[in-house]
Amino acid sequence: NAGVTQTPKFRILKIGQSMTLQCAQDMNHNYMYWYRQDPGMGLKLIYYSVGAGITDKGEVPNGYNVSRSTTEDFPLRLELAAPSQTSVYFCASRWGQGAYGYTFGSGTRLTVV
Amino acid sequence: GENVEQHPSTLSVQEGDSAVIKCTYSDSASNYFPWYKQELGKRPQLIIDIRSNVGEKKDQRIAVTLNKTAKHFSLHITETQPEDSAVYFCAASIIRDAGGTSYGKLTFGQGTILTVHP
Repeated sequence: NAGVTQTPKFRILKIGQSMTLQCAQDMNHNYMYWYRQDPGMGLKLIYYSVGAGITDKGEVPNGYNVSRSTTEDFPLRLELAAPSQTSVYFCASRWGQGAYGYTFGSGTRLTVV
Repeated sequence: GENVEQHPSTLSVQEGDSAVIKCTYSDSASNYFPWYKQELGKRPQLIIDIRSNVGEKKDQRIAVTLNKTAKHFSLHITETQPEDSAVYFCAASIIRDAGGTSYGKLTFGQGTILTVHP
């Protein structure tokens, strides 16, 4: 049982490049989330999913896209990377009704130069 | 939407002292309040949480209190130890049970850097 696995752990992108941050969980959790954490700040919700095929925007979705084709995977796509997207990205999951605690992945540190 | 304010931004205490971190929230519908501890370069870890149907919850040296009327909640750490040094985040969420839709989106505070000096 690996929990929530994020890849890559680190990445440097040039302005205008694109990439996909991978997130996978093996706990059969229905709910998955993407947060970003800027230096010295709290986490802000980018996108979330309540099950396969269902996604919705969070507080800061601009510049990102997601998909949820399976229960296990919830990739985050960055198109046309900008310096403002330099951040640490955390994926999280939870079971659903009656289970409120998140399980976080180890994070992806992204730098856009 | 929900807004969570957290104070202080930094807190320095001597080993053995108590530490208190306070958060206020804006949405009176919020009913779930977790606290996370994040060590440098690590993922946030849930340390304690409270639902709005109780006013206080304790787990060994950690306690959380909730005042729904004033819309604020606090984390209390007693007998602090150097290994308690980390960034602590509060958060708020609306959890709907009984057939409601429970998306569980968390709104986080800005974080408190706690330093415990030996």
